[in-house]
Amino acid sequence: DIQMTQSPSSLSASVGDRVTIACRASQSISNYLNWYQQKPGKAPNLLIYAASNLQSGVPSRFSGSGSGADFTLTISSLQPEDFATYFCEQSFSTPRTFGQGTKVEIK
Amino acid sequence: QVQLVQSGAEVKKPGASVKVSCKASGYSFTSHDINWVRQATGQGLEWMGWMNPNTGNRGYVQKFQGRVTMTCNTSINTAYMELSSLRSEDTAVYYCARVTVAVGDWMNWFDPWGQGTLVTVSS
Repeated sequence: DIQMTQSPSSLSASVGDRVTIACRASQSISNYLNWYQQKPGKAPNLLIYAASNLQSGVPSRFSGSGSGADFTLTISSLQPEDFATYFCEQSFSTPRTFGQGTKVEIK
Repeated sequence: QVQLVQSGAEVKKPGASVKVSCKASGYSFTSHDINWVRQATGQGLEWMGWMNPNTGNRGYVQKFQGRVTMTCNTSINTAYMELSSLRSEDTAVYYCARVTVAVGDWMNWFDPWGQGTLVTVSS
């Protein structure tokens, strides 16, 4: 199984900050990497697909980059509604696997 | 709009079975796989398996083999996930998610997700 490791597990940031979340796969997954945002009590919501493609309706302050085994989700200017948990997920092979999540909290 | 609506919360005793439904609307149900993912309270996301409503093909994660059954009824655009021999560790929110595949590629992602169904296993 492909292991997905996110860092950090949590972070505290202020509105307007630039935030970067890393995701590393245990082997190369090309760009078969997706990012989801999850708010408490809600289902995950797709932000970025295929490593760098912004899902329709998602604000442009979100961006994704990387290929191979190392990927990054960036929020260019953190907004109040962005405080949530973020997960990466690989669709390169089954079983599909997720990172453990990164919780973004208010400083 | 594309939407997946799941059945309500369930409370089950250890050893029982649970069947969660996921009703699709806003798209051609047979054109997209449905996957199931679960999340224990405060924990991460765990993929359970997939089903193709058009062909009936399906695949399950090894740890659930023999306990999980994914089915669908195309006449009412509904997918089902049944988990048997429940134990306390199965207490979680269960999500269905539609798979979208990139045109001309194999890349795919989960969008949208159902709202989730809490299954509580307790004696």
